[in-house]
Amino acid sequence: GQNIDQPTEMTATEGAIVQINCTYQTSGFNGLFWYQQHAGEAPTFLSYNVLDGLEEKGRFSSFLSRSKGYSYLLLKELQMKDSASYLCASMDSNYQLIWGAGTKLIIKP
Amino acid sequence: NAGVTQTPKFHILKTGQSMTLQCAQDMNHGYLSWYRQDPGMGLRRIHYSVAAGITDKGEVPDGYNVSRSNTEDFPLRLESAAPSQTSVYFCASSLPTPYYGYTFGSGTRLTVV
Repeated sequence: GQNIDQPTEMTATEGAIVQINCTYQTSGFNGLFWYQQHAGEAPTFLSYNVLDGLEEKGRFSSFLSRSKGYSYLLLKELQMKDSASYLCASMDSNYQLIWGAGTKLIIKP
Repeated sequence: NAGVTQTPKFHILKTGQSMTLQCAQDMNHGYLSWYRQDPGMGLRRIHYSVAAGITDKGEVPDGYNVSRSNTEDFPLRLESAAPSQTSVYFCASSLPTPYYGYTFGSGTRLTVV
């Protein structure tokens, strides 16, 4: 079957670094997405990985290991505005997205 | 560009009533989809369309209908609402390639009583 798992909630301190993990089992894997969703708002696209390795975009980086079915989102220099839910989604061979339930990230001063 | 526009933002419906959730995009995206988001669960796709005149069922299509008469609009219709359809609904658009991700509308929070 197809499955995707990520932690329900994480807490971190302003200015620190946090890593949000995601594991997946997807038939015909076609890439891994990360989205940010602030409370009461729509998800917004952060990154897409289809090849192994780390991709960096400013304070945010995303890593993928296809052989391990594993990805993580790394957030550096945390700011209060980074408090949000982070959604992991894998794409299968039919271009359907399988979504995780999201990780709620709480930033403390 | 407005992106993806959804209306209404909030609505309360009685069991058995019908309504249409509107979705319009102005980015000339071919791919449109409807998702529902429920607490503790991942987004689930209801219906999707790859082009005008072509629609298909997603993961949870029962109780919902869609149509796609042009590129811009993709309405979602609930014919006879049930309390289980209480949810937040998102319309999302994208280009055929996934590299740029999906653009989501602001959502419709629907309560069925």
